[in-house]
Amino acid sequence: SQQGEEDPQALSIQEGENATMNCSYKTSINNLQWYRQNSGRGLVHLILIRSNEREKHSGRLRVTLDTSKKSSSLLITASRAADTASYFCATMRDSNYQLIWGAGTKLIIKP
Amino acid sequence: NAGVTQTPKFQVLKTGQSMTLQCAQDMNHNSMYWYRQDPGMGLRLIYYSASEGTTDKGEVPNGYNVSRLNKREFSLRLESAAPSQTSVYFCASSEGFGQVSYEQYFGPGTRLTVT
Repeated sequence: SQQGEEDPQALSIQEGENATMNCSYKTSINNLQWYRQNSGRGLVHLILIRSNEREKHSGRLRVTLDTSKKSSSLLITASRAADTASYFCATMRDSNYQLIWGAGTKLIIKP
Repeated sequence: NAGVTQTPKFQVLKTGQSMTLQCAQDMNHNSMYWYRQDPGMGLRLIYYSASEGTTDKGEVPNGYNVSRLNKREFSLRLESAAPSQTSVYFCASSEGFGQVSYEQYFGPGTRLTVT
C-alpha cells in the first residue's frame, strides 16, 4: 500500500521558473524525505524533514511539512535543465520505520 | 568510494528460472534494503536488513528470499521467476534503522524481465 501521493503527476516549466510539488500521506510519520531520480538511474536523497519540523532549506530546495494536513511540499527555485527528473516523497512510519513511497512527480524543465 | 553497487545491470529470465541479484556497499552502513519499482508506482520494499545477521520482510516479500552475507553484501534471490516479477530492482543502504532518521543511498538498479 502506498502512503505518499505526489501531485502533480507531471510538471513542465520554463528554465528559471520555480517548481512546486506536493505530497500527501495517511498515517503518523517519523520523518518525510524527498528523493530525485534521473531517467534510468538510482534515487538520490535531497532532503529530510522530521515530524517536529515545519520547514527546511537546502540550496535551491525548500521543503515544508504540515502534519495537521498530512502534507508536504517541495519547492525548487530558479529551475535549471539539470533539474529534469522524477521527484519522490517517502514517509517513514512511526510504527515500523519503513519508508513508504509515493508514485512521483515527473518534472521537465524546458530551456 | 563506489557507494552502492548492483550486479547485473540487466537480466532476462524465462518463467521458472532462478537468479540472484547482488548488492554491495562500501560506506560501512549497518542497514540494507531491496526495493522494486514498477511503472507509475513508487518503490515497494521487498526485504530489509536492519543490521548484519538480521533480515525482515517488507511490503512485498512473496517470491523472494534474501541473504545478508556480511556487513557489506545483501543479495536477493528469485527461486522461480514469474512474469509479475518483471521490474527494476534497487538496493539501498543507510547508516542505521529505527527511530533516528537516516537517509538511504541507492544503487543504479537491475532491470529484470521475465518472459
